[in-house]
Amino acid sequence: DVKVTQSSRYLVKRTGEKVFLECVQDMDHENMFWYRQDPGLGLRLIYFSYDVKMKEKGDIPEGYSVSREKKERFSLILESASTNQTSMYLCASSLEQGGGGDEQFFGPGTRLTVL
Amino acid sequence: GQNIDQPTEMTATEGAIVQINCTYQTSGFNGLFWYQQHAGEAPTFLSYNVLDGLEEKGRFSSFLSRSKGYSYLLLKELQMKDSASYLCAVRDTGGSYIPTFGRGTSLIVHP
Repeated sequence: DVKVTQSSRYLVKRTGEKVFLECVQDMDHENMFWYRQDPGLGLRLIYFSYDVKMKEKGDIPEGYSVSREKKERFSLILESASTNQTSMYLCASSLEQGGGGDEQFFGPGTRLTVL
Repeated sequence: GQNIDQPTEMTATEGAIVQINCTYQTSGFNGLFWYQQHAGEAPTFLSYNVLDGLEEKGRFSSFLSRSKGYSYLLLKELQMKDSASYLCAVRDTGGSYIPTFGRGTSLIVHP
């Protein structure tokens, strides 16, 4: 079974702190994604990556950056956390780009609170 | 991008059948996914439709009409454990091939 793990289930940080959210997948998937999920807004794509060292902006990249140094690991970075970044963060991976039912496999999520 | 519309919330009775609709607008359709998400958990894949028609998988079926920009997820013989959010996600042919998610439908199953 595909397994996507995230470094923390719950995280509390202060405004202005630099925050790292880590995600690891163990099935050699090409694609990895970071979403945030907020009540009434659904899943919104922050960044994604098709390959090592490649990254693409999603719909809401402002205030975030990412790093993919190894195929299995995709990190989300909040350079200076703000209260409006309090949210549930979900990492996902999928096998290949486009064509076919390449469903996404999600990690358990990190609930981040910024005080 | 896509405009994806789902009802916010639905309720149903254990043992019954429920249909969750999803409508979308896209310039170039390239597949529709349904995911299930229990409270506090990760979304999990349910189904994928790219051609018109019904795909059946046990108690769950998913239907697609590309000409109408419409899909539904049909849940039969409802169980209490089916209480969850159901997310519709649409992929188009432009750019990144990344599916865009709707806001989800929260289904509450009553005894």
